[in-house]
Amino acid sequence: DVKVTQSSRYLVKRTGEKVFLECVQDMDHENMFWYRQDPGLGLRLIYFSYDVKMKEKGDIPEGYSVSREKKERFSLILESASTNQTSMYLCASTISTVSSYEQYFGPGTRLTVT
Amino acid sequence: GNSVTQMEGPVTLSEEAFLTINCTYTATGYPSLFWYVQYPGEGLQLLLKATKADDKGSNKGFEATYRKETTSFHLEKGSVQVSDSAVYFCALRTNAGGTSYGKLTFGQGTILTVHP
Repeated sequence: DVKVTQSSRYLVKRTGEKVFLECVQDMDHENMFWYRQDPGLGLRLIYFSYDVKMKEKGDIPEGYSVSREKKERFSLILESASTNQTSMYLCASTISTVSSYEQYFGPGTRLTVT
Repeated sequence: GNSVTQMEGPVTLSEEAFLTINCTYTATGYPSLFWYVQYPGEGLQLLLKATKADDKGSNKGFEATYRKETTSFHLEKGSVQVSDSAVYFCALRTNAGGTSYGKLTFGQGTILTVHP
């Protein structure tokens, strides 16, 4: 059974803290994604990675960075958390072929920045 | 750029009612279209897909037809159940090459609540 896991389901951090969100997939997928989910806005892509150490900005990368040192792990970093980064964060992965239709999602991390 | 627009929610129905959730899109080329579902407390999972015009995707009693002439991919189910209560997302993927494989553009999501 395919599996994408995220390090925390709920996280509370203070403004200005550095925050790490971890995502691990066990499917040997090349592509991994970080989204944030906000009511009325759907899912918006923050960053994605198509290989180890390779990354590309998504639609809303400001205030975030990412790290992919191993194929199975993709980390999202909030360098200095702000209250407008309070959101649900979803990680996903997919195999890298023309016919790769399905993204597999983790359960999400609900981050609150106070 | 690419965009997906879903009907405003939330949608509240009684069990066994007919469901339609509208989805329209804007994209260059010939995208693949998807419906994802998010049950409470879970991540998203693929519900159905269609990869070319006039294709019909179906799963768990849900259906959606890829209509290129109206740039639409409306989700339908003839008789909803309480267990269908979830958030539904329409999404597209442009079939570009290179590092674009697998990137999705999502609609804003529609919350469905089904009462017994």
